[in-house]
Amino acid sequence: DAGITQSPRHKVTETGTPVTLRCHQTENHRYMYWYRQDPGHGLRLIHYSYGVKDTDKGEVSDGYSVSRSKTEDFLLTLESATSSQTSVYFCAISESGGAGSPLHFGNGTRLTVT
Amino acid sequence: RKEVEQDPGPFNVPEGATVAFNCTYSNSASQSFFWYRQDCRKEPKLLMSVYSSGNEDGRFTAQLNRASQYISLLIRDSKLSDSATYLCVVTLNTGGFKTIFGAGTRLFVKA
Repeated sequence: DAGITQSPRHKVTETGTPVTLRCHQTENHRYMYWYRQDPGHGLRLIHYSYGVKDTDKGEVSDGYSVSRSKTEDFLLTLESATSSQTSVYFCAISESGGAGSPLHFGNGTRLTVT
Repeated sequence: RKEVEQDPGPFNVPEGATVAFNCTYSNSASQSFFWYRQDCRKEPKLLMSVYSSGNEDGRFTAQLNRASQYISLLIRDSKLSDSATYLCVVTLNTGGFKTIFGAGTRLFVKA
């Protein structure tokens, strides 16, 4: 299995509080991604990174920010958590951003915003 | 219309059965295709890539029909351990590469 670790695994927080999720990889892959998964929806891309300090928005980026100061770490921050951000968050990595490069996922963070 | 559509199921089959999943995609610029497997409360894991000529990995066979824009996954001799959600994944080039996930098809294999 790809060396991807997400922390925390579970988090319960209150509306309006900031939350940071961490993704750490040991594969030295250039591309890292944050997805959320909700019932009835496929995985939806929040933000992605194509190198240190290089990030871009995905399809559901509102209310989220990211940072990547090292190749191995990609942080996702909810500036002010809302109940609509209750979800399962997956980090993924890929060796390249090309079409033939599959994604490998971390084991997820279950976030509940009350 | 969703960019990648799958029958959500669930498919309930007995052990030993053959089961097939289809997936349709809407963008003809789609370039790469994959099937992922996701167990309950776990992360998606790559099951297999799908190649134009079709490909097989043990009991699993994947097919791609570019003309009709669909992908299929056939599982032969189903095992209890095959129970999972199967995600169809398409990558397309829109100036940068974009990966789109289907919502998944649930499979229950029963003894």
